[in-house]
Parts: sequence; C-alpha cells; structure tokens
Amino acid sequence: DSGVTQTPKHLITATGQRVTLRCSPRSGDLSVYWYQQSLDQGLQFLIQYYNGEERAKGNILERFSAQQFPDLHSELNLSSLELGDSALYFCASSVAEGSYEQYFGPGTRLTVT
Amino acid sequence: GENVEQHPSTLSVQEGDSAVIKCTYSDSASNYFPWYKQELGKRPQLIIDIRSNVGEKKDQRIAVTLNKTAKHFSLHITETQPEDSAVYFCAASRGNTDKLIFGTGTRLQVFP
Repeated sequence: DSGVTQTPKHLITATGQRVTLRCSPRSGDLSVYWYQQSLDQGLQFLIQYYNGEERAKGNILERFSAQQFPDLHSELNLSSLELGDSALYFCASSVAEGSYEQYFGPGTRLTVT
Repeated sequence: GENVEQHPSTLSVQEGDSAVIKCTYSDSASNYFPWYKQELGKRPQLIIDIRSNVGEKKDQRIAVTLNKTAKHFSLHITETQPEDSAVYFCAASRGNTDKLIFGTGTRLQVFP
C-alpha cells in the first residue's frame, strides 16, 4: 500500500457524460500528479498540482480539468466522455521540493460505453 | 519533445536466469530515472531508481545502470523468480517534483 488513495475503483458511464475522480495523496505530500494508462498509449502524464496550484500540464484534453483543494486532495474532472477515454487513471504524489520519488494510487478504471 | 524508448516489449526467461531491460531518453536535462513494476490491474510500484550523479545502484537481485553520455539506462534482474513476472516501466524526469515520462513497458514472463 503506497498511502495514496483513489475513488472510485471502477466507473462505468455513457458517452457524453461527466465524471469526477478523486485522489488523496500520502500524508504530508504536497504534489499530486495525474496519469492516464490506456492499452495503446501507455502511461501518459496529464497534469500536476503542487500545494493547490497547477504546476505542469501534459497532453491533457480540454474536456479534462483538475484541481487540488486546501486539504491537498485532488479531483480530475472528465466531461463529454468519448469511448476513447476508457482507461486506467492513476494519481501519484510526492513530498515537496527536492523530492524525486512518486508513489502511485490504486487507480480508477473508467469504462465509457 | 521528451521521449523514452524501452526495449524489449516482451521478455521470456527461465527461472534463475537474468533479465535485462533497456531504455533511452531524449531530454538531456533528465536527472532521475525510476523503474516501476506493474502487475495486472494493479498500480505501478517503484522498485528502484537512480539519479544522474550515480552510475549504478543495486538492491538485492535488481540493479540499474545509467550512461548519461549515451542517454540510456538499464534494469538488471538476476536469479529471476516466477513472482518477478509483471510489466516493467522505465521513466525519466528532471527530478524535483517534475513529471515522469514513461517508456512503453516490458512484459516479463519468468517460467518455472
């Protein structure tokens, strides 16, 4: 167990819908990263938050957005869902400046039908 | 752009043999190179990492080597066991809370 928690574990929804994925980092970790894992794209970085502020963006679609709250948990919002958005969504956390290691949560498996 | 290439995509070995997975990165500013093991349906688990000021690091049966000049790094697993069977990912980052750029993964199968 990495100490990073994610909910829900599984999510099945229809095209065009909107979902919210939640991540709680390890106690004391200030940085949260979101990654998408699909069969054909591997593990892709989406977005990073550090202490409540957006720090870096990867190839995140405009239909996707995220935020980090004062208690440091983060939410990833996916809207106007398409079949191709079906994937495993992981969040990872790391401590603070000068920290290199990232620890992953168990992931949320999103299935869009 | 930033890219990490990983080879081979699949690797089958007999129990007790060694396994080697190789990665090449493109961003010369990368200075942190972790390796993750992922079992089916599970989270990527950090198994070993190396920073650019070190050429080699070992932890029991696993070791990682880094050649900064050639921009490649490798994972070595000795005395493989069936429980080593999983997908292994290499990654590169600039460290200091920077994002990870992952390789495409290597599916390792260890046959008893």
